[in-house]
Amino acid sequence: EIVLTQSPGTLSLSPGQRATLSCRASQSVSSNYLAWFQQKPGQAPRLLIYEASTRATGIPDRFSGSGSGTDFTLTITRLEPEDFAVYYCQQYGYSPKFTFGQGTRVEIK
Amino acid sequence: QVQLVQSGAEVKKPGASVRVSCKASGYTFSPYFIHWVRQAPGQGLEWVGWINPSSGGTDYAQKFQGRISMTTDTSINTAYMELKRLTSDDTAFYFCARDIYGGVGDYWGQGTLVTVSS
Repeated sequence: EIVLTQSPGTLSLSPGQRATLSCRASQSVSSNYLAWFQQKPGQAPRLLIYEASTRATGIPDRFSGSGSGTDFTLTITRLEPEDFAVYYCQQYGYSPKFTFGQGTRVEIK
Repeated sequence: QVQLVQSGAEVKKPGASVRVSCKASGYTFSPYFIHWVRQAPGQGLEWVGWINPSSGGTDYAQKFQGRISMTTDTSINTAYMELKRLTSDDTAFYFCARDIYGGVGDYWGQGTLVTVSS
């Protein structure tokens, strides 16, 4: 099973700042099948990015994904108030052993 | 618009079983796998399994093998997840999600809280 390790655990930033979130895999993720989700309290996860760098439908372009192999990054170029949430990465390259990272909380500084 | 609407919260005793439903609307149900993902209160996401509504084929995470069953009723566009021999560790929100990219859920249900308590 692929283990995904996200860092940092918590990111304290102000609106307008840039956020950089990391997701590291214990082994190479097949075909860069790596997704990013946003989750707010009391809500279901929301798909942001799939295949490491493709934005899902309706996702603003301030969200971008990059990386390959074992190292992936989610970047939010200018944080909006609604972006403060928990972010999860998920690998889906090894069906049926899909796994999630433990999450990074982006909080208002 | 695509919607997945799940059944309401459940409270179960240890050793019991629970069945959660997920009714889809706004798209053609059969071609899209349905994932189930759970989240213990205050914790991260855990993939439980998925089902192919067209064939009924399923794949489950190893830790649930033997006590989980996923089914669909294509006549009413509904997926079901049944978990047996519940313990307090199964207390969690259970989400269904439509698969669109071969392993990623694009539309999610609102979640169903299953509480296991004596």
